[in-house]
Amino acid sequence: AQKITQTQPGMFVQEKEAVTLDCTYDTSDQSYGLFWYKQPSSGEMIFLIYQGSYDEQNATEGRYSLNFQKARKSANLVISASQLGDSAMYFCAMREYYKLSFGAGTTVTVRA
Amino acid sequence: NAGVTQTPKFQVLKTGQSMTLQCAQDMNHNSMYWYRQDPGMGLRLIYYSASEGTTDKGEVPNGYNVSRLNKREFSLRLESAAPSQTSVYFCAVQEGVTEAFFGQGTRLTVV
Repeated sequence: AQKITQTQPGMFVQEKEAVTLDCTYDTSDQSYGLFWYKQPSSGEMIFLIYQGSYDEQNATEGRYSLNFQKARKSANLVISASQLGDSAMYFCAMREYYKLSFGAGTTVTVRA
Repeated sequence: NAGVTQTPKFQVLKTGQSMTLQCAQDMNHNSMYWYRQDPGMGLRLIYYSASEGTTDKGEVPNGYNVSRLNKREFSLRLESAAPSQTSVYFCAVQEGVTEAFFGQGTRLTVV
């Protein structure tokens, strides 16, 4: 069964606008971690943001924020003030115990 | 400070050949992972190792074997390569709930 679901295969966003990338997860563990990674066309994996299951506040890192809704098992990434350099594939990931699993990803294209 | 090093970067195999992908880290992290990335499929976990001496199957382990040689090294072996194993392979390392660090990837083509 899919542990991480990203329902948006691709999205277009206008430069300087905000975009929300959806991520839902499935776990019966109480302790887990949620991550978002960016993969530009060059192929490297770039860490963006982390949210622990016990963290009460939503994580923020610069223009990235994670909208964590624990009861809904949702961990959406919000990118504010999009830039052309944000065009990339974005992956949601979850670590349960020692296992780190990824979703299928969302391709974001920023238009000038 | 190399971080996570994968070798080779590119490889072409004939169907039925075997090969080992190597991953080495200098970050002193306990957990190590092997993923494959196919278009539209994201990163799928093949095997992982929580710590030296342990390995566990991920989502797509069939056709692969792994060895956690020591804390630094985690290798992935294809005993009899098939065209369906054409993919980009990533090794990653992680410690606790900190971010995972990735190698640069190995692009494998099986013809």
